[in-house]
Amino acid sequence: AQTVTQSQPEMSVQEAETVTLSCTYDTSESDYYLFWYKQPPSRQMILVIRQEAYKQQNATENRFSVNFQKAAKSFSLKISDSQLGDAAMYFCAYRSAGAGSYQLTFGKGTKLSVIP
Amino acid sequence: DADVTQTPRNRITKTGKRIMLECSQTKGHDRMYWYRQDPGLGLRLIYYSFDVKDINKGEISDGYSVSRQAQAKFSLSLESAIPNQTALYFCATSDGRTVTDEQYFGPGTRLTVT
Repeated sequence: AQTVTQSQPEMSVQEAETVTLSCTYDTSESDYYLFWYKQPPSRQMILVIRQEAYKQQNATENRFSVNFQKAAKSFSLKISDSQLGDAAMYFCAYRSAGAGSYQLTFGKGTKLSVIP
Repeated sequence: DADVTQTPRNRITKTGKRIMLECSQTKGHDRMYWYRQDPGLGLRLIYYSFDVKDINKGEISDGYSVSRQAQAKFSLSLESAIPNQTALYFCATSDGRTVTDEQYFGPGTRLTVT
């Protein structure tokens, strides 16, 4: 079974600075998808960014980018120019690309605080 | 209006009571999911449905049942609630047609069983 590990339960960043959240995963599969979700205090789970494992290019969505290291099974999230609204729990998630695959496996989350 | 809605948003119930959590979506997605979130544990899958006639157990289905009333509606029931079912419950949808098949979540229902 796949596992997803987020080794930083909490992190903080100064407003306008850059922060990187870590995620590692364990899988024997070669094709899969990785996601970062944001959960602000409103509880809503919001998809931030996605990465296909077969793509070497790192995904980018505005101020959010990933560093995908397939051999190391690492999928970190970089937030640039941090804003107060970025304060939230961030969850890394894995999904197999196999036929009929459906289940997202989540990490336990990293709580990000943004200091004004 | 939100694409995925859940009712109620908060609920307190007593041990042994039957309770239903409802989810509706306007995204036109075929696939729907129920997850629970416990502090420090991330989200875990309870049940999922790929269409109205296809319902499957997830990782932690014991003590729960579901009903897919229509493409847009997927309900989760606790037949006899117990305190360790106190959690945040999320409904999610995906269309099953994109490569990544990303899931979109509702706002969650906070359930407390006393």
